[in-house]
Amino acid sequence: NAGVTQTPKFQVLKTGQSMTLQCAQDMNHNSMYWYRQDPGMGLRLIYYSASEGTTDKGEVPNGYNVSRLNKREFSLRLESAAPSQTSVYFCASRTGDQPQHFGDGTRLSIL
Amino acid sequence: AQSVTQLDSHVSVSEGTPVLLRCNYSSSYSPSLFWYVQHPNKGLQLLLKYTSAATLVKGINGFEAEFKKSETSFHLTKPSAHMSDAAEYFCALNTGGFKTIFGAGTRLFVKA
Repeated sequence: NAGVTQTPKFQVLKTGQSMTLQCAQDMNHNSMYWYRQDPGMGLRLIYYSASEGTTDKGEVPNGYNVSRLNKREFSLRLESAAPSQTSVYFCASRTGDQPQHFGDGTRLSIL
Repeated sequence: AQSVTQLDSHVSVSEGTPVLLRCNYSSSYSPSLFWYVQHPNKGLQLLLKYTSAATLVKGINGFEAEFKKSETSFHLTKPSAHMSDAAEYFCALNTGGFKTIFGAGTRLFVKA
């Protein structure tokens, strides 16, 4: 009963390094999402994928890229990390008009 | 425009007393509304959902919410707070497309 699985759970990067955050869901959901959560800023949508083969920008896409690898997997890539990208990143999935299901997050620090 | 407003950024209650977390929404469509809870260092967990069936919705851990169209509200209540209820709570609205709008969150403090 895994739901949405995010890896890694924690990561520390240096400015300018790149990395990919992985997300997989086992609920056969069509849509997947990446959010960042910062103190006092609530949840902000970075990118989403309405269905396999499509991706769209959210509120704060600059500095990020995504790949919908297949129906299960949706990855988020930071090409050149910046301290402003220090945050907690959440992946979520949903189907139809149902609620989103969230992973436990990746805590990312960029020095 | 569609929106979700959580009227209190934080609420403090004593253990054993009622909890009320307030949420107002704006939607052009018949809304699908949700409440989530987030405990420290965890993701958002669904508490309950309203999708145009009964207006009083029961969720997990003794929480319930009432959909009031005339007041455009979807307030979350619990008759008796427990220490384990201390967390952040988010009200959310599906937009009719693929996105969900989340409120800014209400942090619930429970005093012993």
